[in-house]
Amino acid sequence: SQKIEQNSEALNIQEGKTATLTCNYTNYSPAYLQWYRQDPGRGPVFLLLIRENEKEKRKERLKVTFDTTLKQSLFHITASQPADSATYLCALKGGGNKLTFGTGTQLKVEL
Amino acid sequence: SQTIHQWPATLVQPVGSPLSLECTVEGTSNPNLYWYRQAAGRGLQLLFYSVGIGQISSEVPQNLSASRPQDRQFILSSKKLLLSDSGFYLCASFASEAFFGQGTRLTVV
Repeated sequence: SQKIEQNSEALNIQEGKTATLTCNYTNYSPAYLQWYRQDPGRGPVFLLLIRENEKEKRKERLKVTFDTTLKQSLFHITASQPADSATYLCALKGGGNKLTFGTGTQLKVEL
Repeated sequence: SQTIHQWPATLVQPVGSPLSLECTVEGTSNPNLYWYRQAAGRGLQLLFYSVGIGQISSEVPQNLSASRPQDRQFILSSKKLLLSDSGFYLCASFASEAFFGQGTRLTVV
């Protein structure tokens, strides 16, 4: 069956450090992978999309890598700030336009 | 960009009562629409999705149903709520990225 796995353990890092979150998937052949941010009590907000033929994508302090051989995407936030504290989810579109999200990883950036 | 209208924001319903949550979309036509449920501290569980009027795909057998009577309207319903139906319900529209509504926090008591 198709699975999208993210580290369920919360990630605590110090302000200014780089946060790295992992998304692994099985039984997908995605044309692209997406990352979203979710704050408590709110719906997820789209951050980045990376296509299968792109190894890396950047947007301001965010960087995403996509390894279709390893079936893994890494999401990096450089120079992290307390305002970056949130849950981050990866998402894949399967057959029939089914859009499935990973369980998300909670990031806490401490002063 | 798209705007997803979802209401109400919070809802407290007794066990056995019916449910109707409505979602409408602005800023796009013929969207793919989705209903997700999120339990506290958990991920998004896909409940239903629709690629067009009257077309509903159900992902999880449960006490809920969905309908799409118009292109930009998606409705989540139940005839009789269970305690286990409590959660945070999110409607989303997806093309190249997903846009979410504000969510409805449903508590079944």
